[in-house]
Amino acid sequence: EVQLVESGGSLVQPGGSLRLSCAVSGFTFSDHYMDWVRQAPGKGLEWVARSRNKANSYTTEYAASVKGRFTISRDDSQNSLYLQMNSLKTEDTAIYYCARVATSYNFDYWGQGTLVTVSS
Amino acid sequence: DIQMTQSPSSLSASVGDRVIITCRASQGIDNKLGWFQQKPGKAPKSLIYGASNLQSGVPSKFSGSGSGTDFTLTVSSLQPEDFATYYCQQYKSYPITFGQGTQLEI
Repeated sequence: EVQLVESGGSLVQPGGSLRLSCAVSGFTFSDHYMDWVRQAPGKGLEWVARSRNKANSYTTEYAASVKGRFTISRDDSQNSLYLQMNSLKTEDTAIYYCARVATSYNFDYWGQGTLVTVSS
Repeated sequence: DIQMTQSPSSLSASVGDRVIITCRASQGIDNKLGWFQQKPGKAPKSLIYGASNLQSGVPSKFSGSGSGTDFTLTVSSLQPEDFATYYCQQYKSYPITFGQGTQLEI
């Protein structure tokens, strides 16, 4: 059974940093691209970042709203995906989901999400 | 960026009805279109990929069509568990973008 479990969300002050984790099981993590998607309270879905797999040199993509502040990374030996978030702003407040990217580049599995609140 | 526009933004229907949700892309995306269902307090669930392909385990009451810029999601024989918010998503180019959502209400 494919499982994705996010953790690391909490309350942080503006300008602060936070690192989210996504632990996966039930599939060969190293084969897949992985993404982060967020959802602000009462709002729609916003794509955040992508980590390609080893075969594609672990290259990354970012939304303009987080580029230069957030860093996506992965540890294939730990079956884990990460999102390092720096210089956090109040508008980064959201539930953050990790999602698996299928071979045809669509999203097929999602985690349950972890809540990040940026507030003083 | 490719803008994804869903219509309607909200929709009222009854158990047993068939509903159609549309999604329009601001430029052609071939068939790189996915549909997701989200219930309150829950993570999104993948329904359809490649505009018309059902994700494994998704019932055939859900169907998708379209190519290029215009797409539809059809939900047949509505049941209480189908009342949720539905999102389309393009994955043709970066940044990946979602529609604003369609809230399907009883």
